Amino acid sequence: EAQVTQNPRYLITVTGKKLTVTCSQNMNHEYMSWYRQDPGLGLRQIYYSMNVEVTDKGDVPEGYKVSRKEKRNFPLILESPSPNQTSLYFCASSLLGELFFGEGSRLTVL
Amino acid sequence: GENVEQHPSTLSVQEGDSAVIKCTYSDSASNYFPWYKQELGKRPQLIIDIRSNVGEKKDQRIAVTLNKTAKHFSLHITETQPEDSAVYFCAARRWTDKLIFGTGTRLQVFP
Repeated sequence: EAQVTQNPRYLITVTGKKLTVTCSQNMNHEYMSWYRQDPGLGLRQIYYSMNVEVTDKGDVPEGYKVSRKEKRNFPLILESPSPNQTSLYFCASSLLGELFFGEGSRLTVL
Repeated sequence: GENVEQHPSTLSVQEGDSAVIKCTYSDSASNYFPWYKQELGKRPQLIIDIRSNVGEKKDQRIAVTLNKTAKHFSLHITETQPEDSAVYFCAARRWTDKLIFGTGTRLQVFP
């Protein structure tokens, strides 16, 4: 089954404790992206990747890192999480058009 | 860069009525305009999209119209049903550039 898989789905952590949200897709898509969703602000892009070893900042990259060592994986790294990074995070992938989203990861930073 | 504005932020309609959601974009080079539906607690999913060489596209009860001159596009849902209740996002993109989303419209369909 074609899918985008994110883990963890839910996480409560504390300020400053490094965490990684994994994202994996099995559709051989070149394009992958991370979004955060906050009430009233819609879907804001954090980082995106057009292909392996190619990553670019989106609209809200501060406080996040990504890597794209393999085509299927695109992890999101929060080196030192802060409460303003409490949000719902979506990973997505695409070939040329439609974005396929993962199920989302709800992160709470205390 | 591209900026997408979406209105209204909330919309309530009676079952069977029509619903219209409007978006405007700023980059005249944008050529791809998808609409995503996000049901409560779920991921966004594509429901319809349109490219700049087409003015209108229909799929059963939903349609999208595009006015390139005015730089706006709209989602039309006819004969609304309770299962249409969700948040709808418009988006715009040029070629292989990043997709920019609107802020979303929460549609409630009352029986």
